[in-house]
This record gives sequence, structure tokens and C-alpha cells, in this order.
Amino acid sequence: KNEVEQSPQNLTAQEGEFITINCSYSVGISALHWLQQHPGGGIVSLFMLSSGKKKHGRLIATINIQEKHSSLHITASHPRDSAVYICAVTLGRDDKIIFGKGTRLHILP
Amino acid sequence: KAGVTQTPRYLIKTRGQQVTLSCSPISGHRSVSWYQQTPGQGLQFLFEYFSETQRNKGNFPGRFSGRQFSNSRSEMNVSTLELGDSALYLCASSSGTGLNQPQHFGDGTRLSIL
Repeated sequence: KNEVEQSPQNLTAQEGEFITINCSYSVGISALHWLQQHPGGGIVSLFMLSSGKKKHGRLIATINIQEKHSSLHITASHPRDSAVYICAVTLGRDDKIIFGKGTRLHILP
Repeated sequence: KAGVTQTPRYLIKTRGQQVTLSCSPISGHRSVSWYQQTPGQGLQFLFEYFSETQRNKGNFPGRFSGRQFSNSRSEMNVSTLELGDSALYLCASSSGTGLNQPQHFGDGTRLSIL
């Protein structure tokens, strides 16, 4: 079983829809990261959080430490949001970082 | 402020050769970490350097090595290249020590092994 699981693996939605991507982990962590990767490879760090909730524009990230679960929400989705979204955790035991397999999001105009 | 710069962007090598990849962090950042991304395994952590010292290492064979210079620039070396080393190699920098800081990624070096 992977230590970081994301769902769904693939998601296609219409422009304007509310999007939720989930991340569950089974290890102790010191931080959780949400990353965005567009075709071509470049990765952008969207959020790093260790508790609660963060918001940036139309993006919201939440984390529940007790349930070992995080969600990334996109409000009023737009075709430019089409990308792979990757959840990663920094391990509390040895400060290494492990990644989920990613969620491929496609927003149709 | 310039972002993280990786060179070269693309590289083609043959089995058995060695390769060196370069990463220049954001000015003022002292932590540089390296990652391998393949379609099968996804993103995997290689190692992290801070102030010229390797702080952390992932589960890769000794053929993968790195170093960091006094100006925080980092290089990654892979010796005796294998077909399975074909991947996108990414580096990231952060202002603090450790991987519980926001990571700023470069565009990567795409390595193809023939």
C-alpha cells in the first residue's frame, strides 16, 4: 500500500465546476504539500500546510491531522486549471519527502 | 528574482556513460533538493543539500550522487547509466533547512538513455 494515496486519479469537469482532490497518508508527517504540474514538466508549489486551512485565490487546501487526510478544492474551475495535482508529505521521522501518484485534472470549456 | 535554473534542459546519453546535471537555486536559498520523475514510479526524492552538506538521501543506489558548492549551486551525478535512468530530473530550492519548507522547483532536465 502506498504511503500517500490520491483520489481520483483522473478527473474531467466542465468549466465553472467546484473541484475536490483528496489525499490520504498513513505516516507521521511534519508538513503536507500540494503541487501543480503542467504539461512540459514545470512544478509549482501551491500550498504547504501542517494544520487547518489555507486559501489562495480560487484554491483552498485543508488538512485533518487526526484523520491523516487533506483536500485541495478549486472553485469556479477554468480550463487553465488543467494540470496534474500532486500531494506530497514530509515525513516526521526522517524529514524525507514522498509523493502521491497525482491527479490528472481536465477542465472542459 | 530569478527562479531555480537547471541545465541542461535535455540530454541524451548511452548506457554505461555518466552524466552531471546542474541546479542554481533562487538567490539566498541554501537548501537544494533533487528528484527523479518517471511515468512508472512518479516523483521520488533523491537527496537534499544544505550549506554544502547532504542532509538527507532517498532510496537510490550509490551511482546517484550530488554535491553543493559554497554559492549553493548544486550538481547531481549519475554514473554507469542504465536504461531505467531515463527520467525528468528536478531540483528545488528553499530558504530554510529541511523539506518542511515551501519548495521552489526548476523546469527540470529530461535525460534519455539510449
